[in-house]
Amino acid sequence: QITLKESGPTLVKPTQTLTLTCTFSGFSLSTSGVSVGWIRQPPGKAPEWLALIYWDDDKRYSPSLKNRLTITKDTSKNQVVLTMTNMDPVDTATYYCAQRERWFDPWGQGILVTVSS
Amino acid sequence: QSALTQPASVSGSPGQSITISCTGTSSDVGGYNYVSWYQQHPGKAPKLMIYDVSNRPSGVSNRFSGSWSGTTASLTISGLQTEDEADYYCSSYIGSSISFGTGTKVTVL
Repeated sequence: QITLKESGPTLVKPTQTLTLTCTFSGFSLSTSGVSVGWIRQPPGKAPEWLALIYWDDDKRYSPSLKNRLTITKDTSKNQVVLTMTNMDPVDTATYYCAQRERWFDPWGQGILVTVSS
Repeated sequence: QSALTQPASVSGSPGQSITISCTGTSSDVGGYNYVSWYQQHPGKAPKLMIYDVSNRPSGVSNRFSGSWSGTTASLTISGLQTEDEADYYCSSYIGSSISFGTGTKVTVL
C-alpha cells in the first residue's frame, strides 16, 4: 500500500520561506520511472501543480513559480522536500504531495498552510 | 501554464448520466493522451478517477468513463448516485509542465 503524508508549519509570516516535507511509504524513489509531485489548492479554488522530482533527480517546476521553488529528495529517508521562498498571503493553500506516473495517485492528506503576519 | 476550462457546475437526478467537459489546446489536451480526472469531496484530498483519457484505476466504479475529441476531454458519470456529488478536476500533461482544470461542481438533485 502506497501512502504519502505532508508535514511542516501551518502558519508562516509574509516574506518567510516555507519548507514542507513529504514522507512516503510503499515505493522507492530510486526505482526507475517513479516521481513525486507537489500540488497546492487555495481555499475554494482548483489545484495548481508546483513541482515534480524524478527517480533520477530530474526536476520540473511550474513556470509561474519556478523562481521561488526548490524540490529535493532523500531516498534513504523516503522523503521529498519542497521549499518556497518569499511567502505571501496569496500562497495560503492546502499543499499536497502525490506519487506521479502520467497522473497523480495516490495523494497525501494535505497540509493547510496559512500566510499571515 | 493556462488552466484547462471546465463548466463551473453540472447537475443531474439520481440515475441520470452527466458529462463534464475539459477544454484545452493542441499543446495540452489535444497533443497528449495524458488527461486524468480527479474527484474531490469537501475536506478531502483529490482521488484519481480516470487516467490516460479513458482508463479507470482499480476500484473505481465503471459508471465513470472518459473520452477525448480534438482539444476537449470529457468525463461521463452514468447512473448518477448521491455519493457522486463532489468537485471534479481534469489535468493534462503539457510537455514538462502540468495543468489542472478550473473545476466542476457536480450536484445530484
